[in-house]
Amino acid sequence: KQEVTQIPAALSVPEGENLVLNCSFTDSAIYNLQWFRQDPGKGLTSLLLIQSSQREQTSGRLNASLDKSSGRSTLYIAASQPGDSATYLCAALHRGSTLGRLYFGRGTQLTVWP
Amino acid sequence: NAGVTQTPKFRVLKTGQSMTLLCAQDMNHEYMYWYRQDPGMGLRLIHYSVGEGTTAKGEVPDGYNVSRLKKQNFLLGLESAAPSQTSVYFCASSSAGLPIYEQYFGPGTRLTVT
Repeated sequence: KQEVTQIPAALSVPEGENLVLNCSFTDSAIYNLQWFRQDPGKGLTSLLLIQSSQREQTSGRLNASLDKSSGRSTLYIAASQPGDSATYLCAALHRGSTLGRLYFGRGTQLTVWP
Repeated sequence: NAGVTQTPKFRVLKTGQSMTLLCAQDMNHEYMYWYRQDPGMGLRLIHYSVGEGTTAKGEVPDGYNVSRLKKQNFLLGLESAAPSQTSVYFCASSSAGLPIYEQYFGPGTRLTVT
């Protein structure tokens, strides 16, 4: 069974810092890996999706990388802002799973203070 | 284009009562999913559907039933609610095209069973 782990569980940093959030998965047979943002009491917003054939994806201040062989993905946030405070979830689409099932990590709760 | 919507947003039930959660998407997606999110457990798949008239069990299907009579709607039913079903329920949808399967989530339904 695919297991997804996120480290750290929580992170608190001052505004302006560059951050790295880590995600690891046990089975490298994945179609893609997706990073989400969840604000308190809200749904999930998709940030970046990296296909298994790609090494990284970028959107604005966010950069996500994927290393299938080592079972790891990282989300890099440049020049963090208080508005980045949220929980960040990674999810792997396992190649062996049925038709689009995502396996989620438990998330990293990020707080960026002014 | 509303994306994925969920009804209701909040609900309080007494043990033994029944209810139906409605998910609707306007992106013409083939696949739809129901997840529950609990503290410390992450998101877990309850049921999913790969097309109109088809449904399948996910990781935690017991105590729930689903129906997909129309492509744009996916209903989650609780026949006899239990306190263990207190959770936040998320619906998601995705297209059927590999390798993308990017999932889009609704805002969630917060259910409390007393």
